[in-house]
Amino acid sequence: QSVLTQPPSVSGAPGQRVTISCTGSSSNIGADYDVHWYQQLPGTAPKLLIYGNSNRPSGVPDRFSGSKSGTSASLAITGLQAEDEADYYCQAYDSSLSAYVFGTGTKVTV
Amino acid sequence: QVHLVQSGAEVKEPGASVKISCKASGYTLTNYAMHWVRQAPGQRLEWMGWINAVDGSTFSSQRFQGRVTISRDTSANTVYMELRSLRSEDTAVFYCARSRGYSAYEFDYWGQGTLVTVSS
Repeated sequence: QSVLTQPPSVSGAPGQRVTISCTGSSSNIGADYDVHWYQQLPGTAPKLLIYGNSNRPSGVPDRFSGSKSGTSASLAITGLQAEDEADYYCQAYDSSLSAYVFGTGTKVTV
Repeated sequence: QVHLVQSGAEVKEPGASVKISCKASGYTLTNYAMHWVRQAPGQRLEWMGWINAVDGSTFSSQRFQGRVTISRDTSANTVYMELRSLRSEDTAVFYCARSRGYSAYEFDYWGQGTLVTVSS
């Protein structure tokens, strides 16, 4: 099954900036489908973090930002805080599968 | 305020079926799509399928086709997901999640998750 590839883990000190990449293909991100990002705190349901590549839902701090280029997307967290320790997933639609696909997930350690 | 409340944990034997409910509140069910997502222990999220709550049409991932049925009861503002022929690898947390439509849209609200354990 086609997946979106993310680094297994990233880490940073409090206050630092980290980025998470999400690499897809011509049938999902490269086909101009929007990329969305979710934060999953331990033992909880995923929460929408970024939608439409770079938009933040109400209540999400502006420390979180998203971008997209070609067949890849990125999530950046600036001013890293202890509460940002979580798993992060990217998501897009895949036209060859006619299905949504999620990234492999990235664990952020502060 | 939007809430998606799922039914409780289940323990099933291999080969059995499980049916999970997702009750929506704070919005009109027929104005949004509903999806189901599986997450095995320590694994990534995996999209299973969706239902167009307006007309009840459904579509499921090839991986689950033939084993999953998604339905809705608009009078109860509830969506259901039934998974048949359970096997050990179906041990997972299952989530319902809302979206404005299909293919381009984000999942803006999620249920709390339902743990299904498949064991003899």
